[in-house]
Amino acid sequence: QVQLVQSGAEVKKPGASVKVSCKASGYTFINYPIHWVRQAPGQRLEWMAWVNAGNGNTKYSQKFQGRVTITRDTSANTAYMELTSLRSEDTAVYYCAREVSSWIDYWGQGTLVTVSS
Amino acid sequence: QSALTQPASVSGSPGQSITISCTGTSSDVGGYDFVSWYQQHPGKAPKLMIYDVNNRPSGVSDRFSGSKSGNTASLSISGLQAEDEAEYYCCSYTSSYSYVFGTGTKVTVL
Repeated sequence: QVQLVQSGAEVKKPGASVKVSCKASGYTFINYPIHWVRQAPGQRLEWMAWVNAGNGNTKYSQKFQGRVTITRDTSANTAYMELTSLRSEDTAVYYCAREVSSWIDYWGQGTLVTVSS
Repeated sequence: QSALTQPASVSGSPGQSITISCTGTSSDVGGYDFVSWYQQHPGKAPKLMIYDVNNRPSGVSDRFSGSKSGNTASLSISGLQAEDEAEYYCCSYTSSYSYVFGTGTKVTVL
């Protein structure tokens, strides 16, 4: 069965960086794009970026351009999301998700990133 | 890219029907038939309910349906049940090769 398993919760200080991993199983990793979506406490879902797991091409939301980098390791069936220059407003649950055609069908369990001094 | 606009809350009694709107622009909702809807219960990951405007994934009740007119997409729930109480988000592909979510709608079953 399709599974996306994310790395554990992180606590970071303002100005630091965080890297979240998303390990895929149950399907051919390179055939489906991976998206990253975040949700601040009590707030809406916010689309951040996606990566073509086959060729590594990426697209970032303008809001995060310059601060976020999405990569993937096809040998490990794993995608990564790195966010730099963290501020308190980046405190959120970060989800990875698999895209099929034009919609998301599977989501990771989410990773809570807390930014606090 | 601004968030798609949804009503903050919609409510209905058990058995009733409700509709949630999702308004964007010609660069997203109006420009593509790539609108999807997600249901999210507190503390859980979102669940796909509708894709490509009006298609239901297997396993999703036929009480859920989607439509689109111009720059506005809609999600309808008929025969409202207690388990339908959740947050609902629309999502659209955009002309910038990116995606955008809606502001979210809290559905309350009275």
